[in-house]
Amino acid sequence: DAKTTQPNSMESNEEEPVHLPCNHSTISGTDYIHWYRQLPSQGPEYVIHGLTSNVNNRMASLAIAEDRKSSTLILHRATLRDAAVYYCILYAGNMLTFGGGTRLMVKP
Amino acid sequence: NAGVTQTPKFQVLKTGQSMTLQCAQDMNHNSMYWYRQDPGMGLRLIYYSASEGTTDKGEVPNGYNVSRLNKREFSLRLESAAPSQTSVYFCASSDQAGQYTDTQYFGPGTRLTVL
Repeated sequence: DAKTTQPNSMESNEEEPVHLPCNHSTISGTDYIHWYRQLPSQGPEYVIHGLTSNVNNRMASLAIAEDRKSSTLILHRATLRDAAVYYCILYAGNMLTFGGGTRLMVKP
Repeated sequence: NAGVTQTPKFQVLKTGQSMTLQCAQDMNHNSMYWYRQDPGMGLRLIYYSASEGTTDKGEVPNGYNVSRLNKREFSLRLESAAPSQTSVYFCASSDQAGQYTDTQYFGPGTRLTVL
């Protein structure tokens, strides 16, 4: 299975944008890039997914590099509620494989 | 809509005891999953059920059994609990396993300790 690499942790100030990077240099042509996040003591929740084009929804934006070997999850204005572990996952329709993710800390 | 519900929320077992974790979803989803999450780690898939009447092994199935009781309910059974099964267990559901755009909805988890 193709793997992803994410920083262990990142810090952000409240109300500032946050860019969470993900490297996936061995991505295959049919892999979708999915992002989930896990708030403290909760189950993961879906954030966004994309294949080639940049994607926006009410929670975040996903910017995908032209060669698809990396992507960035963008939170436009971080709030304290966005403090969570963010998982970047390559999904080929079989099973979600969660790595260690990035722990995002948001400072007031 | 309650989404995905799990019972119990917490459980303490002694080594060798058995128990069943219950999961139900009210979103009319076809597919359901069981994951475990050990401290400081990501989730690992134990078993999944792509549709009612089918179950398949995931990454870490040893020591577990599952039953897809009906479209709504998917249970996970530990026949003889071991300390290595101390973990947080999450149930999830999705509309269509196997579709690249399929998204999963997770329950709140069951925190299990095996002494």
